[in-house]
Parts: sequence; C-alpha cells; structure tokens
Amino acid sequence: EAGVAQSPRYKIIEKRQSVAFWCNPISGHATLYWYQQILGQGPKLLIQFQNNGVVDDSQLPKDRFSAERLKGVDSTLKIQPAKLEDSAVYLCASSLVWSSGYNEQFFGPGTRLTVL
Amino acid sequence: ILNVEQSPQSLHVQEGDSTNFTCSFPSSNFYALHWYRWETAKSPEALFVMTLNGDEKKKGRISATLNTKEGYSYLYIKGSQPEDSATYLCASPSGNTGKLIFGQGTTLQVKP
Repeated sequence: EAGVAQSPRYKIIEKRQSVAFWCNPISGHATLYWYQQILGQGPKLLIQFQNNGVVDDSQLPKDRFSAERLKGVDSTLKIQPAKLEDSAVYLCASSLVWSSGYNEQFFGPGTRLTVL
Repeated sequence: ILNVEQSPQSLHVQEGDSTNFTCSFPSSNFYALHWYRWETAKSPEALFVMTLNGDEKKKGRISATLNTKEGYSYLYIKGSQPEDSATYLCASPSGNTGKLIFGQGTTLQVKP
C-alpha cells in the first residue's frame, strides 16, 4: 500500500515570497490533515478535511495560509506571503475516518520550509 | 484546550541501556492516546493507539502503558539500539473530531 506522498521535501524562500505544498493521501482515506511542526514543538493541526469539506481550520492563519482539497483527494497548502516564523516542517496525514480519534493517522515525510 | 506534555525533552543513552519517557494528558474526557516514532527525514510512524485504562502494548523491544485516571502514559525501550534514535511523540484526540494534540516530543539519541 503506497503511503502519503508530499512534495517538495525541502523548500527555501525569502520572506514575503509565496510557497505551495502538495499532498497525496493514501487511496480511500476520506480525512486529510495538515500539521505544522516548529522546531522544539509538537505538530499543530492547521486544517482538517473530510472529503473536500473543511472540518476544522481554527488554527489556520487565514490572512496568509490557504488550503484546498479539490475532488476530495489531493490537497495543496499555500502560504502567501511567508514570514520568518513560518519556518517549520509541514506534515500531511490521512485516515480512513475521523470520528472519535481512535483511528490511526498515516503521515507523509513532510516538507521542511526555511524562510530567510 | 487539551494540553499534552512530554518529558524529558531529550535523552542520550548508550547502546544496550533501557530507557523510558513520560506523556501526561488531561484525564477528563479521555478518548485515546497515540504514540509515534519520527526518525529524521522520514514519516512519523505509529507505534501504539491506546484506549483503556491499564492498557499495556508491546512491539518488539518497545512497550507502553496507560493510566487514564491519573493522565499519563509511559513508553519503554528495552536494550536501546542506535536505530532507536528518533523523536517519540505522544498525542491525544481533542473531542471527537480526530484532531490530535501532540506533546513536544522526546528526542532519543542512542550512542553505539
């Protein structure tokens, strides 16, 4: 079974530039998550999709971050414009369903973003 | 807001040593406790999902226990090997949406 795919793996940009990350979840997984992991901290959920609808985006900085999951499969996360504090690893995860929190989430390898 | 804490933040041990880490979480409204291992440049890998008070789970040399009444879980590694070097994350779902709240992780370095 193929895992969660993410690209690019690494990205270096200057502040105020734009950047986009792509995620392809495990086939058949209805739920997709984007997490931000800043050095020294645990991953923090940015946005959660159920199929192509948003379940939770309460911690997404909507003035600069956007995400979409067209057709309920692949997803893109965009930052425009980037700030220094956006330097982090961006993890994508997927799961079969989202209810109750018992279901295992499968993670991609992440995109390491450095903003200079 | 659910708060998950892990200790220690980092740990350096010699090959062959046994070690353990702690994950603390609120005991009220408990749903589940997830443990992940995250090696550098790889995907976080699920180790255990624990749901019942008193649960004990084992995977090779790694085992975990759960105490939901007092709000903690221990992860044990017996006879650490260099390939065990990784960051170990615990997480608990917030409510019933599947949203995981992660601790800050324990980074283990095993020296040959």
